[in-house]
Formats: sequence, structure tokens, C-alpha cells
Amino acid sequence: SAVISQKPSRDICQRGTSLTIQCQVDSQVTMMFWYRQQPGQSLTLIATANQGSEATYESGFVIDKFPISRPNLTFSTLTVSNMSPEDSSIYLCSVEDPWGRDTEAFFGQGTRLTVV
Amino acid sequence: AQSVTQLGSHVSVSEGALVLLRCNYSSSVPPYLFWYVQYPNQGLQLLLKYTTGATLVKGINGFEAEFKKSETSFHLTKPSAHMSDAAEYFCAVSDAGANSKLTFGKGITLSVRP
Repeated sequence: SAVISQKPSRDICQRGTSLTIQCQVDSQVTMMFWYRQQPGQSLTLIATANQGSEATYESGFVIDKFPISRPNLTFSTLTVSNMSPEDSSIYLCSVEDPWGRDTEAFFGQGTRLTVV
Repeated sequence: AQSVTQLGSHVSVSEGALVLLRCNYSSSVPPYLFWYVQYPNQGLQLLLKYTTGATLVKGINGFEAEFKKSETSFHLTKPSAHMSDAAEYFCAVSDAGANSKLTFGKGITLSVRP
């Protein structure tokens, strides 16, 4: 399995500011995924991040609001920009199986963001 | 486009009772199906998955699920609930394995009464 560390685990931020969430994996992976879980809602995919290329965003999500970096095969960041209370959610990083042996996605513990 | 339907948001059972959490999906291609569990303040953990082969799949903690293509369902069951099963459960689908994006249902919160 892959071990994923996300930082910070939680934060309370002022509206209009930005927060960068880090995701570190203990193995090299090609694809990393960022999800959002709004209060009382399911997980929604924000974007897919491949190393060495621009992230691919899902409908309803744009790079200006959620810029993503993927500098190497074990690390990625998601920035939530110009935050509003509607951005209060849990943000989760996910990766595919590093060895491609198993059809399973692994998830970090998430970052619980509250915007006030 | 894929979608997952989990009816209801909350299920409450007594300890020792049967757990049944329903999941229906829609997919234009043969799906891969997953159940994930999320304990309070923790990340998602895979309970079980269906990719190909046997339609009845067994997972961790005594859970199992059956893929029924004719009903487009993948319901999760456990014969006897334990207090430690209290958590949120998510059904998810992908069409090309886990290295493709997952589409999740809304999730169901399971409560277990003593």
C-alpha cells in the first residue's frame, strides 16, 4: 500500500486568503488526484495531477481558483485561492497503487478547511 | 457519464443485527466498484472492490458485497454489526480501474446501537 501524508490536517482561514495543502507519498506514483468533500456531501474530484504536465481539471473547477503543483513523483500541492466560506470542506489527496498491481486508490487523511 | 446512488443518508442498526447499505450505479462500460469507509477524523479506507470474476466479494472486517449487473447494484452487507462499524460508507465506481477517476456516492452514515 501507499502511505500518504497531508499537511495541514486542519486550518481556519480568513476569507480572501489562500491556503496551500501538501500531499507527500512514500512511493513514486504517476497520477495523483485531489478531491473535495463539502459538508454533508460526497467526494468530488477537483483535478488529476501528472508529474511533468499541467493538471487536468474537472468541470466546475478552474486553475485560477485551485492551482496545483506536481514537481516530482512523490509530492503535490493544492492551493485554495481567494477563499470564501463556500470553500469550507475536507480536501483529500489520492494516488493509484504505486506498483500498478492492484486496482485500489489510496487516500490521505484529508485537510479540514474552515473559512470564516 | 457515471453516477452512484446511495439512498438515504443515515442507517441505524442494533449491535449484532444485519447491516445492509445499498448502492446503485450507472455506467456505460463495465464498471469497477468499490466500497470505502471513513472513520471519524480519518481518511478513506478501502473495504472491498469488484473488478472482474466472482460477483460476491469479501472485504475487511466481515463485510461483503455482491455485484448484480442486471440490477446495477453493489450492496454492502455484514451479518452482525459491531459498535466499531459506526462510520461513513461510500460507494464508488470507475470505468478503467483505480488509475482512473472515481465517482462517489453521497455516502451513508452507519450508527450502531448497543
